[in-house]
Order: sequence, then structure tokens, then C-alpha cells
Amino acid sequence: EPEVTQTPSHQVTQMGQEVILRCVPISNHLYFYWYRQILGQKVEFLVSFYNNEISEKSEIFDDQFSVERPDGSNFTLKIRSTKLEDSAMYFCASRRQGGSIGYTFGSGTRLTVV
Amino acid sequence: ELKVEQNPLFLSMQEGKNYTIYCNYSTTSDRLYWYRQDPGKSLESLFVLLSNGAVKQEGRLMASLDTKARLSTLHITAAVHDLSATYFCAVDGGAQKLVFGQGTRLTINP
Repeated sequence: EPEVTQTPSHQVTQMGQEVILRCVPISNHLYFYWYRQILGQKVEFLVSFYNNEISEKSEIFDDQFSVERPDGSNFTLKIRSTKLEDSAMYFCASRRQGGSIGYTFGSGTRLTVV
Repeated sequence: ELKVEQNPLFLSMQEGKNYTIYCNYSTTSDRLYWYRQDPGKSLESLFVLLSNGAVKQEGRLMASLDTKARLSTLHITAAVHDLSATYFCAVDGGAQKLVFGQGTRLTINP
């Protein structure tokens, strides 16, 4: 069964550093997303991406964050100048066109900012 | 702003019992999703409910959607230990995003 692949699975970074989280969505999917989950809390929407541009973003997704699809397969989330409160699990998701199909989530990257 | 609320947030039950998790949402939507999450793991898709009155079943789990009441239920029949996990409902908030409930942490005791 096709999977959404995320790397790394766990990243520890110092406060103020930049991190790039990587995702390989399912190959025939057209919509890409980043969500985050602070430990023990609910899953929060960050950004959606379609046709090589951001289609929607949340209040969380401020200038500190950016997304990119640098080639035909990867989808990245960059977090600049990380803060302690950025520590969370970050999930990438993708979806085919058409509402009858659900979103497929990746295994997540656990980001720890120290 | 779309809000999604689940209850209960914590549920401890014995094997063999039945129980229901409720998911209420605040604005009109006709797409609702249920996910399972094991500790430290990703979100596993359980059900996609696309219309009023939709009912889907998989093993001991059954989900339903009432769009008029803005309510979805996840019913567990004759629970077994393997169903212990956190269950999330998520509603299509339009504009390409899902809005999640807080999650229900289900513990099934032998």
C-alpha cells in the first residue's frame, strides 16, 4: 500500500536554529499538507499546498515557516529560528483529487527544540 | 470558525463491553473522518463519511454521520484490548484543511 514517507523520524535542534522536515507524498496525489501535534494534544493544521503554491495556511504558519516542493517528489517544511514551543510531532499528509478519498498521513517527525 | 468537540476525552472500559464516542462540530460540513493513533505513531485512517446518514463498519468499529445534527459517532462493539488507542474525528473545514477534535483516549482492560 502506498505510503507517505517522512524524514527524519526524530530531530533535536538548538533554539534559534533552522530545521527542514522532509516528506515524500504518494506519487499520484495532488494535495499536500503539514499538520503538527504538540505532545498529548490535538492535531493542528499548518498549511495546504496545491499546484505548486500554498492554498491555505493557519495562524500558526507565520513568517517563521515555509514550504517548498523542490522537485517532483519531495515536499519540505522549513522552520526558521526555532523556539522551544515548536517542539511537536509534525505530520505530512497527501490526498488525491476528489473528496471520497481520505488523507494519508506520514509517520511523522518528532522535533525537539532544546 | 469550525470547532470540533469529542467526548468523552478519556474512556476506560472492560473487554467485551460496548461504548460510543461522540464527535460534534459547529458548522456545516458533509465530510468527516475518523482516525486511530497509537502512542508515538501516525494517524491511521479508519473511516471516511461523506454524506448524511452514512454508516460504515469495520470489524468491531462502526461510524455514522448525521450532518443535520452535526454529529458523528464511533461505536465499539465487544471491545478487545487491541482497540486501545486514541481516536480522533476530523471535519473537512473547507479550503483544503481538516479540523481535528481533541481525541478520545480509549483504554480497554482485560
